[in-house]
Amino acid sequence: ELKVEQNPLFLSMQEGKNYTIYCNYSTTSDRLYWYRQDPGKSLESLFVLLSNGAVKQEGRLMASLDTKARLSTLHITAAVHDLSATYFCAVGLDSNYQLIWGAGTKLIIKP
Amino acid sequence: GAGVSQTPSNKVTEKGKYVELRCDPISGHTALYWYRQSLGQGPEFLIYFQGTGAADDSGLPNDRFFAVRPEGSVSTLKIQRTERGDSAVYLCASSLFGGGPETQYFGPGTRLLVL
Repeated sequence: ELKVEQNPLFLSMQEGKNYTIYCNYSTTSDRLYWYRQDPGKSLESLFVLLSNGAVKQEGRLMASLDTKARLSTLHITAAVHDLSATYFCAVGLDSNYQLIWGAGTKLIIKP
Repeated sequence: GAGVSQTPSNKVTEKGKYVELRCDPISGHTALYWYRQSLGQGPEFLIYFQGTGAADDSGLPNDRFFAVRPEGSVSTLKIQRTERGDSAVYLCASSLFGGGPETQYFGPGTRLLVL
């Protein structure tokens, strides 16, 4: 059974600081997603990572994937208040359309 | 263009009642997914449609849950004899073809509360 674990589950940080959210998964997968969810809103796709060593960046967010370690990271650089949200990673089962989701990391960035 | 829409946005019902939740996917998307999200958790897969057919319904918790997509576009998730444990946000997503590395685009969800 594929399990996806995120940590931390809650993170409060000051603007301007850097931090990393971790996503570990328990079995092989051919794709990993990062989504953002604002309170009461829909899930917004951030990144899709497909191969070992893949790195994608958008603004202050950078995601990477290590398939050998079964680990993805979402790094936040010089955080700003607007990045406050819950961030989810989701892992795709090989040759399958199901996504298995982590519990989410609630990120609060204080001005 | 328009994203995935879901109606109603909120639904309050009594234990034992029947409810229908509607999803209107992005135009042209052949794949449609239903998920359930409980407070403080990630989404949990329920069912996947490829066109009109349910390609995978392995996530449906029991036979009180049923979903249809008769014309390959709009989908309805139906819950019979609702229980308090069914209370959650029901999310719908769609993607262009289904499977592989496609991004799933989510609707805003329907918040179901069973009293």
